[in-house]
Amino acid sequence: DAGVIQSPRHEVTEMGQEVTLRCKPISGHNSLFWYRQTMMRGLELLIYFNNNVPIDDSGMPEDRFSAKMPNASFSTLKIQPSEPRDSAVYFCASSLTYRSTDTQYFGPGTRLTVL
Amino acid sequence: AQTVTQSQPEMSVQEAETVTLSCTYDTSENNYYLFWYKQPPSRQMILVIRQEAYKQQNATENRFSVNFQKAAKSFSLKISDSQLGDTAMYFCAFVLAYNQGGKLIFGQGTELSVKP
Repeated sequence: DAGVIQSPRHEVTEMGQEVTLRCKPISGHNSLFWYRQTMMRGLELLIYFNNNVPIDDSGMPEDRFSAKMPNASFSTLKIQPSEPRDSAVYFCASSLTYRSTDTQYFGPGTRLTVL
Repeated sequence: AQTVTQSQPEMSVQEAETVTLSCTYDTSENNYYLFWYKQPPSRQMILVIRQEAYKQQNATENRFSVNFQKAAKSFSLKISDSQLGDTAMYFCAFVLAYNQGGKLIFGQGTELSVKP
């Protein structure tokens, strides 16, 4: 299997611009997770989906962030408008189900820099 | 609330030697899972090993093993015969067994350097 695929790997944008991060989970996995990694806060869960439905978005920092999963093989995380403090590495992970017994497999991450 | 603490921000070890990374966690729950993830310079997060809290036997995966002390809420990772490719950031993570979602809680990480 190709593993979790994320694009782009690097994104540099200017403050105020819209940013869209993309994720393709492992085929057959029904749950998808978005994480953010920063020096100050470490790795934190933003939102997760089960069977394309958002289950918990309590980690989404504010209304500027939105995530969608239109089908089982694709998800997006959008930031609009972007701010310098959004600079971070964003990871997508997938697992067979949302149960904690199932291992989460991570993608390579997208490094976002907002100038 | 659950927390995970890694008290060693950086560690180094000579190639072929053994190193132990520390992790402690705090929870009032009895059923949970613990993980060690590796993040090399490529940034990819790679699962190294997992431990079910209900299992007394410590998990092992080739050169990687854990020392799970449930009463002490300690979960250390031992890397034997360290290799240059083990150089990475290592994260300890925790998830409740009955959580509706696999909400992993990560420690701050330990940066391990393996020196030739």
